[in-house]
Amino acid sequence: GNSVTQMEGPVTLSEEAFLTINCTYTATGYPSLFWYVQYPGEGLQLLLKATKADDKGSNKGFEATYRKETTSFHLEKGSVQVSDSAVYFCALTSYAGTGGFKTIFGAGTRLFVKA
Amino acid sequence: NAGVTQTPKFRVLKTGQSMTLLCAQDMNHEYMYWYRQDPGMGLRLIHYSVGEGTTAKGEVPDGYNVSRLKKQNFLLGLESAAPSQTSVYFCASSYQSLFRYEQYFGPGTRLTVT
Repeated sequence: GNSVTQMEGPVTLSEEAFLTINCTYTATGYPSLFWYVQYPGEGLQLLLKATKADDKGSNKGFEATYRKETTSFHLEKGSVQVSDSAVYFCALTSYAGTGGFKTIFGAGTRLFVKA
Repeated sequence: NAGVTQTPKFRVLKTGQSMTLLCAQDMNHEYMYWYRQDPGMGLRLIHYSVGEGTTAKGEVPDGYNVSRLKKQNFLLGLESAAPSQTSVYFCASSYQSLFRYEQYFGPGTRLTVT
């Protein structure tokens, strides 16, 4: 079946450091890929998405490229801020036939950014 | 637009009590979901609905029931609460198009069962 694997946290960085959170997936067909972010005490919210191979999703300085050849969707940001401290979830959505669309979330990676 | 709202925000139950969590969305989404989030466990799907009047089991459905009588509402019921159901519950909704499939989440309900 489909699966999503993301790097374990927590990840601790200093402000202005470069961020990479790895995400790899297993899926049949042509899934859409997502990164969600969860700030303390809140629900998840969409950060960025990519719906086909080689697409790059971007938002708020974060980027991720849909790499079908390596089945990856790594999240990157060139210079993190304290306000980026949150939990980041990689997710995959695919069409499941009569069952409709199915989404699988990774386990989440907690990011701490120190001033 | 309010997006996805959840009622209540917090609740403490004693073992064996029942309660209903209400989720409402004003985006005319077809799909709605209930998740629970536990420390170190990520998100786990409890039940979901692909349209008004339909429901289906997710990954961890035992001990929960759901109903979707109106398109905008999705109710999660606990008939006899157990301490293992202490968790944060999130409702979400989405379109049914793969290219617009991002899920919109509510703020969560923190439930403690003593």
